[in-house]
Amino acid sequence: EVQLVESGGGLVQPGGSLRLSCAASGFTFSNSWMSWVRQAPGKGLEWVANIKQDGSEKNYVDSVKGRFTLSRDNAKNSLYLQLNSLRAEDTAVYYCARGGSSHFSYWGQGTLVTVSS
Amino acid sequence: QSALTQPASVSGSPGQSITISCTGTSSDIGSYNLVSWYQQYPGKAPKLMIYEGSKRPSGVSNRFSGSKSGNTASLTISGLQAEDEADYYCCSYAGSSTKWVFGGGTKLTVL
Repeated sequence: EVQLVESGGGLVQPGGSLRLSCAASGFTFSNSWMSWVRQAPGKGLEWVANIKQDGSEKNYVDSVKGRFTLSRDNAKNSLYLQLNSLRAEDTAVYYCARGGSSHFSYWGQGTLVTVSS
Repeated sequence: QSALTQPASVSGSPGQSITISCTGTSSDIGSYNLVSWYQQYPGKAPKLMIYEGSKRPSGVSNRFSGSKSGNTASLTISGLQAEDEADYYCCSYAGSSTKWVFGGGTKLTVL
């Protein structure tokens, strides 16, 4: 069974940082593109970033470029998203998803990031 | 404002069929056969229902079908059931610069 478990969310002040983690199991993590998709409270889905199987290609939505950094550790079956210079508009549930080259086949339950003073 | 345009809401009675449209541009839906559809219940994670325009993942009911014409993709649900009441999102690849774009979501109400 595919499982994606996010962690690391929480309340942070504007300008602060957080590191989100996603632990994967039930599939060959090292063979999969991986992505982060977020959803602001009461709003729709927004793709944030994706990373190729070996980490050689990373892509970001314009609004997070230069502030968010995506990485992965295939030995630990884990995906990470470093969030810096956080803004109020980054407040959202952040979902880890398997995929990113064709579709998003499995999603975690999400971790809530709240940016507020 | 979302990159892809969906109706905010649709409704239908049990047993009926409904179609949710997803309108993009020649830079996304019109250029790639990479439209996917997701079902989301309140407070839950999205679930993949259709990928590459019309393919169904294993385990998804054949009551769900997808299609595309020009810059518009569609999700059709036949034989509506109460359990289909949820939010539905379309998504499309949009090229190497923009990558992936979602629609604003459609709330399906089963009357």
